[in-house]
Amino acid sequence: KAGVTQTPRYLIKTRGQQVTLSCSPISGHRSVSWYQQTPGQGLQFLFEYFSETQRNKGNFPGRFSGRQFSNSRSEMNVSTLELGDSALYLCASSGGQGFAAFFGQGTRLTVV
Amino acid sequence: DAKTTQPTSMDCAEGRAANLPCNHSTISGNEYVYWYRQIHSQGPQYIIHGLKNNETNEMASLIITEDRKSSTLILPHATLRDTAVYYCIVRGNTDKLIFGTGTRLQVFP
Repeated sequence: KAGVTQTPRYLIKTRGQQVTLSCSPISGHRSVSWYQQTPGQGLQFLFEYFSETQRNKGNFPGRFSGRQFSNSRSEMNVSTLELGDSALYLCASSGGQGFAAFFGQGTRLTVV
Repeated sequence: DAKTTQPTSMDCAEGRAANLPCNHSTISGNEYVYWYRQIHSQGPQYIIHGLKNNETNEMASLIITEDRKSSTLILPHATLRDTAVYYCIVRGNTDKLIFGTGTRLQVFP
């Protein structure tokens, strides 16, 4: 069974640009969550989607958004990039509440 | 979601058991204890989870105290590849995981 796949693995963007990251969950998983990891703040929850609906949202500005498609694949978008958005962005999928969440390898975003 | 408290760092000799403690004194009755580890900026790896009974899988054992206010993750025979940051997370009826700072386990030869 394939794991969680995140693309791209690495990305370099310029301040002010926008970026879209993609996550393909494990087959059959309908819940997808996104996390940001930085050296200063650690692993922080961004948002969670289930059946194309956002169920939970972390404490991030509106520049961070996401969506989920009918095949459970998810994308997150960051607009008007800032230097502080440089981070490892992680996606996790699960079979639902009460089931373990499994993480992808992440997308490392560098904003210059 | 309940908060967890873990030691910042621990050392363990290769081949010995690594016992990683976690305090979750405010855990609610329907909240599970999950353990993940992260090796050098890779994605966190799921290890094990439990509600109130002790659990064991091919990676580790999880011991939860009777009052559920603390737990211990046991790696029975630590190897150098077990060097990582270990996160103890209390998770309720949601897919949202709240990560603390974790325990940095260093396994030495």
